[in-house]
Amino acid sequence: QQQVKQSPQSLIVQKGGISIINCAYENTAFDYFPWYQQFPGKGPALLIAIRPDVSEKKEGRFTISFNKSAKQFSLHIMDSQPGDSATYFCAASMVPVYQLIWGAGTKLIIKP
Amino acid sequence: KAGVTQTPRYLIKTRGQQVTLSCSPISGHRSVSWYQQTPGQGLQFLFEYFSETQRNKGNFPGRFSGRQFSNSRSEMNVSTLELGDSALYLCASSQSWLADGTDTQYFGPGTRLTVL
Repeated sequence: QQQVKQSPQSLIVQKGGISIINCAYENTAFDYFPWYQQFPGKGPALLIAIRPDVSEKKEGRFTISFNKSAKQFSLHIMDSQPGDSATYFCAASMVPVYQLIWGAGTKLIIKP
Repeated sequence: KAGVTQTPRYLIKTRGQQVTLSCSPISGHRSVSWYQQTPGQGLQFLFEYFSETQRNKGNFPGRFSGRQFSNSRSEMNVSTLELGDSALYLCASSQSWLADGTDTQYFGPGTRLTVL
């Protein structure tokens, strides 16, 4: 019930394309869903987060789509750039956010 | 503002030893969380401290412990090290004051622990 399942494990996208990473959760008590980006040698950094009262949130080239009934959420990166090459983690938490339950991560490579 | 700092960045220990890792949160942040990151298990929550009190604990053995000081700095200790404790240990801080409870966790660069 505490798991967050993330797919795909790795993803290669051409520059300018759309990168899509998916996550699914089981615990309906989760009500905070962030996406983090991690570069080698660095800690994760928050990209964007969503609450279940909205179905979509957009910040620049990054969009979260949220489907409460399916218990799924996804990250879309529009106009993907080589600088976006990193590992992306979805996570889930109850509010207040004491602990994050993490997906396994997606290694994204953007080919120039 | 300075980010979350963790010391040391790299550490090599042998089985059976103990280790202490340190985390200095962003100024003004009162909550500190610790996570273990390994290739096999991914990111797993260890514990969270707020105002020197442990509020939440993950599913790790008692060999893993932590504390928080009055200035919000935190330490975690691992006793009787095992090979499987080799990991990147990440510290995250948050303000923990937002009314809706969705305070962002800001991560440090981590301490890379290798157990031989």
